[in-house]
This record gives sequence, C-alpha cells and structure tokens, in this order.
Amino acid sequence: KNQVEQSPQSLIILEGKNCTLQCNYTVSPFSNLRWYKQDTGRGPVSLTIMTFSENTKSNGRYTATLDADTKQSSLHITASQLSDSASYICVVSAEGGYNKLIFGAGTRLAVHP
Amino acid sequence: SAVISQKPSRDICQRGTSLTIQCQVDSQVTMMFWYRQQPGQSLTLIATANQGSEATYESGFVIDKFPISRPNLTFSTLTVSNMSPEDSSIYLCSVGQTYYEQYFGPGTRLTVT
Repeated sequence: KNQVEQSPQSLIILEGKNCTLQCNYTVSPFSNLRWYKQDTGRGPVSLTIMTFSENTKSNGRYTATLDADTKQSSLHITASQLSDSASYICVVSAEGGYNKLIFGAGTRLAVHP
Repeated sequence: SAVISQKPSRDICQRGTSLTIQCQVDSQVTMMFWYRQQPGQSLTLIATANQGSEATYESGFVIDKFPISRPNLTFSTLTVSNMSPEDSSIYLCSVGQTYYEQYFGPGTRLTVT
C-alpha cells in the first residue's frame, strides 16, 4: 500500500534554531517528492520538488534531501523565523497510468521567540 | 504557477443545507481537483473535475453528496449537499497541467452547526 509517514507529528523550537523534519514513504514506483508549507487557514504552498535522480534541493533557508534507496526524505530549516510556524507536508507521487498524490499527515512546527 | 481564488473563504452553515464553493484560476489549466482537509488531518482527494464531462470521484465520495461542475478551463464549483457537522472541514481546490504539479487555492473553511 502506498503510504507516506512523517515525523515528528509536532515540534516546538526557538527562533533562530535549526530543525529537521522526516518523511518515509512506501510509494512505488516513485515519481517525485514535494514538501509543502501550509500556514494556518491557508492552502499548501510548494517548497521543493525532487525526482528520483536528485538527492538535495534548496529553497532559501529550506533544504530537502532525498534518499531513494531507503525511501526517506528530510526537510531542514535553517535559522528559523516566527513565520516558519506552519504545517509541513510531504507529498509523493507515483508513476503509472493514474497518477495521484499521496499526502503525509504533516508536521506541525511552532517557532517561539 | 497559477493564481487561484476560492469563494467563500469561510462559512458557517446549518445542518441539512447545501453550500457551493467556487474555484477560479487566472489561466487555463488541464486538471482541477477538489480536496477535503478535516481538522488536524492531511488532505484527502474528493474528485478530479473534468472539463466537459462528469467528475471522477475517489472511493468514499459520491456525486449526490459532492456534485462538481467544470464549465470551462478556468472555473469549477464543488457543492457540499445536505450538510452535517461531520462535513466541517477545509475544502481546497488545486490545479495543474499534470497530477505531478498541483497548485492549491487558499481553501474554504466550512463549519456546520
């Protein structure tokens, strides 16, 4: 069964600190993996997208990594800001005739001053 | 990426009534999707809105409960019919030229009393 699992479920850090969010997936055959940021009451916004051949992708203070062998991805946030407080959702798409996005449950990050 | 708007942004409705949510895109797109996000949960695909034909519904969702229209390549509506408190969720539309790349609208927060 295609699944995406994220950890931790929630995380609290202090402003200026770094953090890493994890995503494990069992989606096969794999097409690509996206990290989305969802602010409270808003729709998800794409941060990064990686295909099978890419193992790292950066977007400002956000850096995503992908290990296609172990089917793991991480999202590293550097020098966190209060505006980073949001849910971060890992989304994997599968190859095939009827492609769909498989969503993780998300990690809820709170950045405190 | 496309600019997507949804109306209404939020609403409080009484049980037994229906609400129609509109999704407007600033450019023509091949695919439009409707998702539900229940409190504290990740996104669940309701249906794919096909231009010129009936929507394709996912398991657990039926046309009588969630009728969808897609009259052209920039507009779609989702109706939540005969609402109950269990329908309280955020409803999001997304658009893309493929399943792989989807851009999400801001969402409609629905509360059913």
